[in-house]
Amino acid sequence: AQSVAQPEDQVNVAEGNPLTVKCTYSVSGNPYLFWYVQYPNRGLQFLLKYITGDNLVKGSYGFEAEFNKSQTSFHLKKPSALVSDSALYFCAANNYQLIWGAGTKLIIKP
Amino acid sequence: NAGVTQTPKFRILKIGQSMTLQCTQDMNHNYMYWYRQDPGMGLKLIYYSVGAGITDKGEVPNGYNVSRSTTEDFPLRLELAAPSQTSVYFCASTTGTGQNEQFFGPGTRLTVL
Repeated sequence: AQSVAQPEDQVNVAEGNPLTVKCTYSVSGNPYLFWYVQYPNRGLQFLLKYITGDNLVKGSYGFEAEFNKSQTSFHLKKPSALVSDSALYFCAANNYQLIWGAGTKLIIKP
Repeated sequence: NAGVTQTPKFRILKIGQSMTLQCTQDMNHNYMYWYRQDPGMGLKLIYYSVGAGITDKGEVPNGYNVSRSTTEDFPLRLELAAPSQTSVYFCASTTGTGQNEQFFGPGTRLTVL
């Protein structure tokens, strides 16, 4: 079965430090890859996506993601975390249907 | 553009009651989706539609029904509410090609007691 895995339920980072939220996928073909963010009591918002081309994708709010085809990974990164980045982050892969990861709670401590 | 709007924001139902969750988008998107998100969990697809008059089941369709009479509206009907349907419901839309992101509404928080 096709799946998207976010191996960490929660990631804790000190403000100002770099952050990484991990995502790996097991989807046939060459799926399109997405990251979404959900702030408390809000709907999901699109952050960035990988379609083709450069393996480093830049998105909203200073986030970027690194696509690695050999490792089937699409990790979300930010060089310097802000307290306001604290939220729930979802990875998703689309190959004829959108498959969602379970989400990772990111907590940035001042 | 208002984007994707959902009503109501909150609702409490008694077991066995019915209700309709409304979803409207003003982006002329063909594809629309209903998801539920249980506490601490990811999204589960309930139903989706690829255009007016066309709907199909997702991962967890039991206990729900949908219709799509217009491009803009995609209501979700709950018949005979059960406590297991306590959840937050999100509507989303997109242009339809797999490379395009989905746009989400603010959600409806439903409690069934």
